[in-house]
Amino acid sequence: KQEVTQIPAALSVPEGENLVLNCSFTDSAIYNLQWFRQDPGKGLTSLLLIQSSQREQTSGRLNASLDKSSGRSTLYIAASQPGDSATYLCAVRPEYSGGGADGLTFGKGTHLIIQP
Amino acid sequence: SQTIHQWPATLVQPVGSPLSLECTVEGTSNPNLYWYRQAAGRGLQLLFYSVGIGQISSEVPQNLSASRPQDRQFILSSKKLLLSDSGFYLCAWSVPFRGFPIFSGNTIYFGEGSWLTVV
Repeated sequence: KQEVTQIPAALSVPEGENLVLNCSFTDSAIYNLQWFRQDPGKGLTSLLLIQSSQREQTSGRLNASLDKSSGRSTLYIAASQPGDSATYLCAVRPEYSGGGADGLTFGKGTHLIIQP
Repeated sequence: SQTIHQWPATLVQPVGSPLSLECTVEGTSNPNLYWYRQAAGRGLQLLFYSVGIGQISSEVPQNLSASRPQDRQFILSSKKLLLSDSGFYLCAWSVPFRGFPIFSGNTIYFGEGSWLTVV
C-alpha cells in the first residue's frame, strides 16, 4: 500500500527566505506527483504536477523536483511571502494497468507560516 | 471552463441522523469523480470514486455510501451518522483517460469542501 510522508509537519520562517518542503513515497510505481496548496477551511488548489518521466516543474517562485527511483519529491519556494502561508500537500497517482479511477494518495501536509 | 460545486458548505448533525452532500461538475463530460475526507491529523482519505453513472467504488469500509445518478452529479450519503464521521469532505474530479494504459495523467480539481460536525 502506498504511503506518502511529508516533512516537516509544520514550518515557520521569516518573509524572504527560500525554503524546501519534502515529500517521500514508499511505492515508486507512480504515474505522476502533484503538489497542492490548501488555505484554512478551503479546498485544494493544484500547484504543480510532475509526470513520472520528468525531473522537475517550475511555476513562478515554485519549483518541484521528482526522484522517482528514490521515492522523493521536494517543493522549493523562493523568496517566501506572507501570502504563501498555507498547508502544502503532496500526492501521488498510481500506475494502473487496467480500468479504474486514478485516485491519489496524499501526505498529511506541511503547515507553512511565513512571518511578515 | 470547468467548475465544481459542492454543498452544503457547513453542517452540524446529531448522531444517528442522515446525511446528504452533493457535488456537481460543469463544463466537462464523463469526469472521474471522487469523495475524500480530511480528518484532523489524518490527511486526505479517498472514500469513493466513480468512472461513470451508477459506477461506484469504495476505498474504505464505513457507514457512508455514494451515488452517481447523473454524469456530473456525485452524492455522499449516510443513513445514520456516527461521531467519527465528523470531518472535512471534499469532492473532486479529473478528466479520464480513454485508451491504454488507463490512467489520466491529468490534474485533479477539488471543490471548496463541506465541514461536517456530528454532535
